Amino acid sequence: AQSVTQLGSHVSVSEGALVLLRCNYSSSVPPYLFWYVQYPNQGLQLLLKYTTGATLVKGINGFEAEFKKSETSFHLTKPSAHMSDAAEYFCAVSDNQAGTALIFGKGTTLSVSS
Amino acid sequence: EAGVTQFPSHSVIEKGQTVTLRCDPISGHDNLYWYRRVMGKEIKFLLHFVKESKQDESGMPNNRFLAERTGGTYSTLKVQPAELEDSGVYFCASSPQPGSYGYTFGSGTRLTVV
Repeated sequence: AQSVTQLGSHVSVSEGALVLLRCNYSSSVPPYLFWYVQYPNQGLQLLLKYTTGATLVKGINGFEAEFKKSETSFHLTKPSAHMSDAAEYFCAVSDNQAGTALIFGKGTTLSVSS
Repeated sequence: EAGVTQFPSHSVIEKGQTVTLRCDPISGHDNLYWYRRVMGKEIKFLLHFVKESKQDESGMPNNRFLAERTGGTYSTLKVQPAELEDSGVYFCASSPQPGSYGYTFGSGTRLTVV
């Protein structure tokens, strides 16, 4: 069965600092991997996804993530945090079969201080 | 294009009452998904419609939950009778093709059962 572990339910950074949100997954088949963001009072928005090909994936708002098969990780990074990045971030995995559900991690709340 | 619309955005009901949540997918999206997040837990898959048919309802927690999709357009999720543990945020998503990589999520309905 697939699973996702997000390390740290709450991460705090200063504005301009590196953002690193950790995600490890478990999957018996080559996974599809996703990061979603939820801003207050909004829905889930796709930040980026990995399906096949290049393991470094660039997403919206300056975020990127690297798929590391040997480490079963898909950590999310951003070189310089902005106040507007404060939100809850979710890592998710699915197998590569069409129509299958997303398995989400518990989420990490990112706080950004000035 | 209009996004995925869910309403109500919030609902507070008493234990034992009935509540119906509605989701309007993006026009032309045959695939519609329901997920929910119970407080402090992961976002979990409930079910998947393809047009008006239930493709996968493996995540439905029990028979108090009934999902329908009339004419392959909007969908409703009815909880009857509601229990305290049903409190959480219910998300709907839609996609043109099967597969999790094409999801667009709605803003969710926050259900509180008291």
